[in-house]
Amino acid sequence: SYELTQPPSVSVFPGQTARITCSGDTLPKKYAYWYQQKSGQAPVLVIYEDSKRPSGIPERFSGSSSGTVATLTISGAQVEDEADYYCYSIDSSGDHGVFGGGTTLTVL
Amino acid sequence: EVRLLESGGGLVEPGGSLRLSCVASGFTFTNYDMTWVRQAPGTGLEWVSGISRTGDNTYYADSVKGRFTISRDNSRNTLFLEMNSLRADDTAEYYCAAGRPTIIPLLMSFEHWGQGVLVSVSS
Repeated sequence: SYELTQPPSVSVFPGQTARITCSGDTLPKKYAYWYQQKSGQAPVLVIYEDSKRPSGIPERFSGSSSGTVATLTISGAQVEDEADYYCYSIDSSGDHGVFGGGTTLTVL
Repeated sequence: EVRLLESGGGLVEPGGSLRLSCVASGFTFTNYDMTWVRQAPGTGLEWVSGISRTGDNTYYADSVKGRFTISRDNSRNTLFLEMNSLRADDTAEYYCAAGRPTIIPLLMSFEHWGQGVLVSVSS
């Protein structure tokens, strides 16, 4: 089955830039979406269609995609950004959604 | 206020069945495709199943195909997940999520999420 690969963890100090990657063979042709999930809460969409930011999401969140890698960037990470982050896309058949394994962001 | 409220979870024995419901309010239900996503304890998100806004098209993860059935009742703004032949590895928090359809099915933003309902499969 198709997989999206994320690093298990990323750590930064407050104010630093955090980058979380998502690798997948279909990403050159399919958008990536990014979700933030804080402990005990439902996920929240933070980036859609590779690089678009929903209303209400801080400007420090941005996304990009190049080749088989999509990247979520948090510029000037804050303590409140500590959460699990998941990328999402679909497989080559288009019949299955797929989430990456998730990345735990720690803002020390 | 947009709201998705799941119900129907609980403890069931292996091989048993459950029917989850998700009632939507605060948005036009018929304008949205719907999805079920689950999260086993201490693990990541897993896409489970999706359904088009009309209900004509349905999609399933390989892990649940043939055991789970997704459906919707647009007259009642309600999404369902019928789960049969449940196994221990189906134990998870189940979330319903709504997204506006795009040209490519399933490739969409899950804009709205419920708070989840817990399904536990154990003897």
